[in-house]
Amino acid sequence: DIVMTQSPDSLPVSLGERATINCKSSQSVLYSNNKDYLAWYQQKPGQPPKLLIYWASTRESGVPDRFSGSGSGTDFTLTISSLQAEDVAVYYCQQYINHPQTFGQGTKLEIK
Amino acid sequence: EVQLVESGGGLVQPGGSLRLSCAASGFTFGSYWMTWVRQAPGKGLEWVANINRDGSETYSVDSLKGRFTISRDNAKNSLYLQMNSLRAEDTAVYYCARAPAYSGSLYYFDYWGQGTLVTVSS
Repeated sequence: DIVMTQSPDSLPVSLGERATINCKSSQSVLYSNNKDYLAWYQQKPGQPPKLLIYWASTRESGVPDRFSGSGSGTDFTLTISSLQAEDVAVYYCQQYINHPQTFGQGTKLEIK
Repeated sequence: EVQLVESGGGLVQPGGSLRLSCAASGFTFGSYWMTWVRQAPGKGLEWVANINRDGSETYSVDSLKGRFTISRDNAKNSLYLQMNSLRAEDTAVYYCARAPAYSGSLYYFDYWGQGTLVTVSS
């Protein structure tokens, strides 16, 4: 199974500042079609996960442009350019290149 | 509006069985791969199983094979998860989720239900 490791586990950031969450896969998730099979989700307390980013850098419709994804192969980053109060949540990365599809352990983003 | 509504969760004794349902609306259910994902209390997300558009192809995590079975009824716009020989470690919120149009067995999930809680305890 592909192991997804996120860092840090917890991230305190001041409002208006940049937040950066990292995700590393134990094997490359870059397929021969030159797409990275990597998604990011946001989960607020008591809610289901919400898709933010897919193919490592494609923003889902309706997601604010302060959210961006980057990286390729085994190393990926989710960046929130200017943290808003409503961004407080747990963020998960997911690989979908191999069965079983696996998620990172989550990064809890909070206000400093 | 796409809606996924899970039901069937509850308290069950170890060794018992439970059948979860997910009622879909707002889209052509039979045109989409569907998935179950679970989340133990205070823990992360774990993919459980998925199923293709007509129910002829399924995949599940190895550790659950033989105990959990995913199925669907396109005429009823419903997804199911039959869970047998339940253990305490199966305690979790179970979400149904949809893969996007034209996807295959390996894809991200664009819509999620609110989840149903399964508690396995004596």
